Amino acid sequence: KAGVTQTPRYLIKTRGQQVTLSCSPISGHRSVSWYQQTPGQGLQFLFEYFSETQRNKGNFPGRFSGRQFSNSRSEMNVSTLELGDSALYLCASSSGATGGRGPGELFFGEGSRLTVL
Amino acid sequence: GESVGLHLPTLSVQEGDNSIINCAYSNSASDYFIWYKQESGKGPQFIIDIRSNMDKRQGQRVTVLLNKTVKHLSLQIAATQPGDSAVYFCAEIKDDMRFGAGTRLTVKP
Repeated sequence: KAGVTQTPRYLIKTRGQQVTLSCSPISGHRSVSWYQQTPGQGLQFLFEYFSETQRNKGNFPGRFSGRQFSNSRSEMNVSTLELGDSALYLCASSSGATGGRGPGELFFGEGSRLTVL
Repeated sequence: GESVGLHLPTLSVQEGDNSIINCAYSNSASDYFIWYKQESGKGPQFIIDIRSNMDKRQGQRVTVLLNKTVKHLSLQIAATQPGDSAVYFCAEIKDDMRFGAGTRLTVKP
């Protein structure tokens, strides 16, 4: 069974640009959540999608957005990039309707490392 | 606001010894806790979880202890191996999931 796949693995952008990251969850998983990981702030929750609907959202500005498709694949977009957006962006999928917040597990991908110059 | 935090940023142990990684939380309403392991260049990997109505849960070589009185969570790794070297962090869950900063465990051969 394939794991969570994130693309691209690495990318470099400049300030003001936008970026789209993709996540393919484990087959059968309907919940996809996104996280930002930085040395200074650690791992922070961005948002979670379940059955194409955003179910939860973290405390990030509106420049961060996402969506989920009918096949459960998800994308996140960051517009008007800032230097502080440089981070590892992790996607996780879960089989349960609790989105990993109850019994069970979150399965993480290996992340997309974004560098903003 | 309430937060999850770790007592030690780094921990170095000898191979074969037991490791204890600690986590302090402040949201007494959190009802679910998870420990993750993150190796260099990889995403976090689930280790073990525990519900707030439990004090202890054991897995393979790992034990999680929850002390709600002092709002403390710990991860015990028995017979630590070089492959256990990684960053470990806890997460607490109530309405959302919050993560601790992480502790880097280094296992010396």
